Amino acid sequence: DTEVTQTPKHLVMGMTNKKSLKCEQHMGHRAMYWYKQKAKKPPELMFVYSYEKLSINESVPSRFSPECPNSSLLNLHLHALQPEDSALYLCASSLIFRDQGAADTQYFGPGTRLTVL
Amino acid sequence: GENVEQHPSTLSVQEGDSAVIKCTYSDSASNYFPWYKQELGKGPQLIIDIRSNVGEKKDQRIAVTLNKTAKHFSLHITETQPEDSAVYFCAASPRGNTGGFKTIFGAGTRLFVKA
Repeated sequence: DTEVTQTPKHLVMGMTNKKSLKCEQHMGHRAMYWYKQKAKKPPELMFVYSYEKLSINESVPSRFSPECPNSSLLNLHLHALQPEDSALYLCASSLIFRDQGAADTQYFGPGTRLTVL
Repeated sequence: GENVEQHPSTLSVQEGDSAVIKCTYSDSASNYFPWYKQELGKGPQLIIDIRSNVGEKKDQRIAVTLNKTAKHFSLHITETQPEDSAVYFCAASPRGNTGGFKTIFGAGTRLFVKA
């Protein structure tokens, strides 16, 4: 089973709202990722968690706040977003080669389509 | 850092023909090259991958070739079908000090298969 699930599928929010995106995997993967994808562009890395610790933050604005409560779950908390933050938000997960500390193949979820009004 | 270039940006073929998408990468430390297919409204799905110790890999109608010397890798789809229509992304995973956690994507190729 190579399934990553994401909720909600669609989200519309105002610029003053607070909302959260959720991601779950049960493949035993210890690396989890958040990507942002604009139309007709490749996915753009935002955050990486390895062993439930934030290991990469690609200089993402603080209005995006990631959280990894356990090895299966990944959240992205949203607050005071801007219309230009409207995009498809993708979660991914991968195994970590313990002896190398390196990541294996990333498997993506279906994404959350976010619209900021 | 790593940079991946992908060509063409759009490819239109007749059903049954072959399609080839080409990518080049810049970081010689990259040793893992996945290909993803993304259909409209869905997340990218891995379709095939290749590691740097292998020159070619095939899975039914899909094959990938890697030329490490030239830093080129290509996706070949034979006997294309309308359901192959999608956006295809190549990617490179540099090992370096980011340990492969940063996957660098090409810009994508929009493939249209005409019935």
